[in-house]
Amino acid sequence: AQTVTQSQPEMSVQEAETVTLSCTYDTSESDYYLFWYKQPPSRQMILVIRQEAYKQQNATENRFSVNFQKAAKSFSLKISDSQLGDAAMYFCAYRRDYSGTYKYIFGTGTRLKVLA
Amino acid sequence: ETGVTQTPRHLVMGMTNKKSLKCEQHLGHNAMYWYKQSAKKPLELMFVYNFKEQTENNSVPSRFSPECPNSSHLFLHLHTLQPEDSALYLCASSQDNRGRTDTQYFGPGTRLTVL
Repeated sequence: AQTVTQSQPEMSVQEAETVTLSCTYDTSESDYYLFWYKQPPSRQMILVIRQEAYKQQNATENRFSVNFQKAAKSFSLKISDSQLGDAAMYFCAYRRDYSGTYKYIFGTGTRLKVLA
Repeated sequence: ETGVTQTPRHLVMGMTNKKSLKCEQHLGHNAMYWYKQSAKKPLELMFVYNFKEQTENNSVPSRFSPECPNSSHLFLHLHTLQPEDSALYLCASSQDNRGRTDTQYFGPGTRLTVL
């Protein structure tokens, strides 16, 4: 069964610094999507970034970038120039094809604190 | 309103009550989802509807009953819940659950407390 593991329950970063959140997953599939979602204290889950497994190039969205290592089944999120508004729970998710429909499998999340 | 909205945002109910959670999406999507979010646990997928057809029931107890009258609205009817059902219930939508580039967008959630 596919699983998603976020081994860091909590991380802290100084404002303006860079932080990397880790995510590993287990799958036997070759074609899939990976996502990072952000859930601020207001609770609305927001899509941060998306990576297609067949694309070797790492996805980037402004200050957010991923390090996708397909062979290692690793999908880490790097946040550059951290801002106070980046404080949130971050969830890694894997989307797999399940009999023609997609199922999303989420990790347990990493709580990111940004220190002023 | 834009995006995915959920009402109510907070709900407290007794074990014998009947209540409903509502989700509405304004994104023109065709797939809608219910998730349960409990502390320190991964999001648990409950139900999936694609073009109003239920495509996934993730072994959810019958005290939870979903309803999807159209692609924009999704309900979760609650009946004789247990205290362990207390959680944040998230609704999400996506363009097409069978589409290759499908991506989910979430609502703010309903915080449910069962006494």
